[in-house]
Amino acid sequence: DTAVSQTPKYLVTQMGNDKSIKCEQNLGHDTMYWYKQDSKKFLKIMFSYNNKELIINETVPNRFSPKSPDKAHLNLHINSLELGDSAVYFCASSQGLAGNTGELFFGEGSRLTVL
Amino acid sequence: QQPVQSPQAVILREGEDAVINCSSSKALYSVHWYRQKHGEAPVFLMILLKGGEQKGHEKISASFNEKKQQSSLYLTASQLSYSGTYFCGTEGPHGQNFVFGPGTRLSVLP
Repeated sequence: DTAVSQTPKYLVTQMGNDKSIKCEQNLGHDTMYWYKQDSKKFLKIMFSYNNKELIINETVPNRFSPKSPDKAHLNLHINSLELGDSAVYFCASSQGLAGNTGELFFGEGSRLTVL
Repeated sequence: QQPVQSPQAVILREGEDAVINCSSSKALYSVHWYRQKHGEAPVFLMILLKGGEQKGHEKISASFNEKKQQSSLYLTASQLSYSGTYFCGTEGPHGQNFVFGPGTRLSVLP
């Protein structure tokens, strides 16, 4: 049973399109995250939700909108895709906040390529 | 503020040892270490919560010097399976601002 699962694994799309990535965790964790990993491998936090409430919202264009229907799901919707959005997007979860003894469990990643 | 990692990359032969360093200009509450193999997700290795704490995971261990605001990851008698990018993650005094370092790419050759 996969602990943190993301779909789709691969996304290839044209500039200007809108796309969504879904994430689900079955670990019973109360905090979920979206991370972006660019071609240089930097892992940058984008959003964090704790019990369905947004707690971290880094400087991310407002074309990116997270939605958490319940604490086991955190989806990411991206409007008007740009070339610079090409990256691997990782969903993660933790019990409590990451860093505060909160080990992060990552999904397999969703590789987005914008043409 | 993002911690600094050194070296950026290291190449080893099987059986050799390596040290990866992680340092911050701000006071640290804890340091986490993760490994990411090529094409895979990062995987948690260990957390160090107290100053001076050392933890081990098979032949991989780490230390945390709170005064110097730094941590070191020690890989002993490296194996091919150790290849990957190692990330440290640090946080401030109240569990906030958890941020990953830029990563250290480790390649172990036969």
